[in-house]
Amino acid sequence: AQSVTQPDIHITVSEGASLELRCNYSYGATPYLFWYVQSPGQGLQLLLKYFSGDTLVQGIKGFEAEFKRSQSSFNLRKPSVHWSDAAEYFCAVGVTNNNDMRFGAGTRLTVKP
Amino acid sequence: NAGVTQTPKFQVLKTGQSMTLQCAQDMNHEYMSWYRQDPGMGLRLIHYSVGAGITDQGEVPNGYNVSRSTTEDFPLRLLSAAPSQTSVYFCASSYSFMIDSIYGYTFGSGTRLTVV
Repeated sequence: AQSVTQPDIHITVSEGASLELRCNYSYGATPYLFWYVQSPGQGLQLLLKYFSGDTLVQGIKGFEAEFKRSQSSFNLRKPSVHWSDAAEYFCAVGVTNNNDMRFGAGTRLTVKP
Repeated sequence: NAGVTQTPKFQVLKTGQSMTLQCAQDMNHEYMSWYRQDPGMGLRLIHYSVGAGITDQGEVPNGYNVSRSTTEDFPLRLLSAAPSQTSVYFCASSYSFMIDSIYGYTFGSGTRLTVV
């Protein structure tokens, strides 16, 4: 079965600094990959997704992610973090024609002024 | 505003009690699902439905029942609450049940359930 690992439970960055959140997946075929963001007390919001094609995917709020098949990774990046980016971020992998989307445990992002 | 509405937002139950978590969407979405979120474990799929009258089990279905009598509503029933069911529950919906749908999932704001 597919699985997702987010190695970093908590990351703290300064406002204006760059950000990279790591995501590794385990799945035999080409996966469908997602990044979601969850603000405190809210549901999840889709940031971006990768299905096929260009391995660098642009999302909302200035985020991007790069799919690297050789490393089984789908890391999320942002060149300059804003205080409003403080939230929890979830990576997820889905299976073709199947509703079994598996989520990682999440990475909590704190932004220092 | 259109979206996924979950009620209640908070609930405390005693062990052995039953209750229903409500989920409603007004976007005419075919696909609806329930997840539970536990610290360090991300979200895990409990049950899902690809249309009215059709439901199926997800990763952690034990202790929960669902039904889908209308397109709009997808209630989650706890038959006999246990402390292990203390969690935050999220309902999600999508126009298409296909995982590669361009539409993605819309999540509700969650129900925080505590079982004592």
